[in-house]
Amino acid sequence: SYVLTQPPSVSVAPGQTAKITCGGNNIGSKSVNWYQQKPGQAPVLVVHDDRDRPSGIPERFSGSNSGNTATLTIIRVEAEDEADYYCQVWDGSSDHPYVFGTGTKVTVL
Amino acid sequence: QVQLVQSGPEVKKPGSSVKVSCKASGGTFTSYPLTWVRQAPGQGLEWMGGIIPIFDTTKYAQKFQGRLTITADESTSTAFMELTSLRSEDTAVYYCARPRDNYIYSYFDYWGQGTLVTVST
Repeated sequence: SYVLTQPPSVSVAPGQTAKITCGGNNIGSKSVNWYQQKPGQAPVLVVHDDRDRPSGIPERFSGSNSGNTATLTIIRVEAEDEADYYCQVWDGSSDHPYVFGTGTKVTVL
Repeated sequence: QVQLVQSGPEVKKPGSSVKVSCKASGGTFTSYPLTWVRQAPGQGLEWMGGIIPIFDTTKYAQKFQGRLTITADESTSTAFMELTSLRSEDTAVYYCARPRDNYIYSYFDYWGQGTLVTVST
């Protein structure tokens, strides 16, 4: 089945920019969604369809997708952005339609 | 405002079964796809399966075929996830999730609070 690979961890200083990658075979042909998960909480959708933000998600979060890599970018990082982040794709024609990435722990230094 | 409220934590013996509920409020329950995702301790998110109540169709991850049953009760706007033949590896937090719009199948706007299922002797 389809595999999405993320770096286990990313560290960033407050006010700087964090980039979280999600690698998959020709992922650029798929729509990618991103979730933020804080300890003990359910995931929260922060970006859908590569680059769209749900209502209430700060503009500091943005996404891009091309080739074999999708990227979630967080600018002007704040302490509250420290969390695990998961990418996810959907293939409606697959027997396993929802695939999640391996997850990235973002640490704000 | 859409809310998904799940049943409480469970402790089960190996070989037994567990049934977790997910009650939805807001929107028309039957027309939205409802998905179950689990997360083992310290691990990532794993899709298990889902249901579209209005079509009464289900789809399960091959990994859980034969052990997993997802159902929905329209009268109470509640979905259920039943997992049988439990083993220690099934210890996880189980989440239900749903999109904001009923024509969206590709991502999940709303999540339940999660239900911890512990499988232990």
